[in-house]
Amino acid sequence: AQSVSQHNHHVILSEAASLELGCNYSYGGTVNLFWYVQYPGQHLQLLLKYFSGDPLVKGIKGFEAEFIKSKFSFNLRNPSVQWSDTAEYFCVVCVLNSGFQKLVFGTGTRLLVSP
Amino acid sequence: ETGVTQSPTHLIKTRGQQVTLRCSSQSGHNTVSWYQQALGQGPQFIFQYYREEENGRGNFPPRFSGLQFPNYSSELNVNALELDDSALYLCASSLEGRGSNTEAFFGQGTRLTVV
Repeated sequence: AQSVSQHNHHVILSEAASLELGCNYSYGGTVNLFWYVQYPGQHLQLLLKYFSGDPLVKGIKGFEAEFIKSKFSFNLRNPSVQWSDTAEYFCVVCVLNSGFQKLVFGTGTRLLVSP
Repeated sequence: ETGVTQSPTHLIKTRGQQVTLRCSSQSGHNTVSWYQQALGQGPQFIFQYYREEENGRGNFPPRFSGLQFPNYSSELNVNALELDDSALYLCASSLEGRGSNTEAFFGQGTRLTVV
């Protein structure tokens, strides 16, 4: 079965610190990859996505992620986090399964950025 | 705002009862997926509806059922509620079709508590 593993469950950083959240997935087929973010009290929203092409993708608010196919990884980075980046971050793999596409979520990483 | 709305926002039910949750998809989207997010976990795929038919299902028992209507809105029904059904239920809408790379838009969810 497909699975997504996020390496960190809780991360605490000071403002302007750099961030890297690890994500590995297990699925041998073609995948689309996403990072979704959930700010406190808000709905899940897309941070960035990878479908094909350049494996380094850029999203909103300075976030970027790199797809390394050989390592089945899609790590999220930000060189300088802000207090407003406090949220829960989900690594998500979209797999094609018998004619339909479903999202497989990691368990999430709670990021707390202190001012 | 994603254009995906769910109702109700919160719900308390007794074990053994039945519940119906509702979702209005984003305009132009023909696919609705439902996810269950238990406390401290990532969302788990329940099933997906495409053009009014279930076209994919996760590892959930048959007492979880759904409908999709001609306007692409959807319902999730859960019969014989159990305590473990307590969770946040998320609806996601997307545009599926040959050649489309999907991006899912999530509602804010319905928080179901079973007592």
